[in-house]
Amino acid sequence: EAGVTQFPSHSVIEKGQTVTLRCDPISGHDNLYWYRRVMGKEIKFLLHFVKESKQDESGMPNNRFLAERTGGTYSTLKVQPAELEDSGVYFCASARQDRATYEQYFGPGTRLTVT
Amino acid sequence: RKEVEQDPGPFNVPEGATVAFNCTYSNSASQSFFWYRQDCRKEPKLLMSVYSSGNEDGRFTAQLNRASQYISLLIRDSKLSDSATYLCVVKGATDSWGKLQFGAGTQVVVTP
Repeated sequence: EAGVTQFPSHSVIEKGQTVTLRCDPISGHDNLYWYRRVMGKEIKFLLHFVKESKQDESGMPNNRFLAERTGGTYSTLKVQPAELEDSGVYFCASARQDRATYEQYFGPGTRLTVT
Repeated sequence: RKEVEQDPGPFNVPEGATVAFNCTYSNSASQSFFWYRQDCRKEPKLLMSVYSSGNEDGRFTAQLNRASQYISLLIRDSKLSDSATYLCVVKGATDSWGKLQFGAGTQVVVTP
């Protein structure tokens, strides 16, 4: 079974530019999560999709971040315009069900650097 | 105050020795507890869930103390391959059951 994949693995952009990150969850996993780790800090939750619906977006930092999951398959996270403090590693995770007993499987992450 | 706090370490452990470390969580309503392992520049991977009665998985033992709101992980007979950052993870304290709350991690370095 293929794992969670993310693209790109690295992205370096200038402040003010736009970047779109993509996540492909494990096939059959309705639940998709985005997390972010800023340097020196803990991994923080951004949002949670159930199929194509946003279940919880309480962790989204501001309206420069837009997440979509059209058709309930892959998801994109767009940052527009990017700021220096957006630099970090963006992880995507997926789970079959949103329950304690169901493990969230993480993708390898996208390392975003805003200069 | 952080929701999940961990000693960042590093814990330098001779191969074959035992190492133990804790984490504390702030929200008493938290429902589920986990230890994840993260290797350098890799994604977090579930090491083990933590149950109220304590549980063991091979050389790893996890304990939960709800009264004092802390979780512990003990690694016996440390291997070089155990070198990693161990993330304490809590969930279920909010409406979003799936939202994971991470500690910043405890670094363990096992030396020959």
